[in-house]
Amino acid sequence: QQQVKQSPQSLIVQKGGISIINCAYENTAFDYFPWYQQFPGKGPALLIAIRPDVSEKKEGRFTISFNKSAKQFSLHIMDSQPGDSATYFCAASMGFGGSQGNLIFGKGTKLSVKP
Amino acid sequence: GAGVSQSPSNKVTEKGKDVELRCDPISGHTALYWYRQSLGQGLEFLIYFQGNSAPDKSGLPSDRFSAERTGGSVSTLTIQRTQQEDSAVYLCASSFDPPGQGSEQYFGPGTRLTVT
Repeated sequence: QQQVKQSPQSLIVQKGGISIINCAYENTAFDYFPWYQQFPGKGPALLIAIRPDVSEKKEGRFTISFNKSAKQFSLHIMDSQPGDSATYFCAASMGFGGSQGNLIFGKGTKLSVKP
Repeated sequence: GAGVSQSPSNKVTEKGKDVELRCDPISGHTALYWYRQSLGQGLEFLIYFQGNSAPDKSGLPSDRFSAERTGGSVSTLTIQRTQQEDSAVYLCASSFDPPGQGSEQYFGPGTRLTVT
């Protein structure tokens, strides 16, 4: 059973456009939702994260939108740049409310931003 | 400051051999995680160490996998009698977890294991 479902699997966006990646989760006990960015040959790097007590969090060009009732959250990348081309993973954990801090990841979205 | 480091960066081994993978977490981080990243399965949790507590081994795929963390710092993941399906990138992450709550996890560059 896949606890975190991520879509799309791949995404092509023109430079300057908006990239949107969606995730849905099953376990209502999750209380921490990070997004990671991974370049080839590198480990995942934390991009932005949200807790369920807020519906949106923005950091620079990156925004997380969170819908607790729908059990969905999404990453929006505004003014997408070729340097944003990477694989993006959403994740969830119960780490902030308990001892089960391990992350459960979505399958990843490969983003390509065309110049 | 220094991030999470892992060694070796690449490891090629023959089926049936044992391998040891090393992780040096960020100084001061109390929690340490091992994950496995493979093409078919994505990123999977393996094991979690928090301070002096017993590790959470719930993600280990078989009893051929084990890990230890010495002195609350460096960790070693051992895979015995390696199989071809063990081929993957093994990632280590660490975080500073105050008691009763978690915090952001920072990943190392990974060790790419190839079993021939």
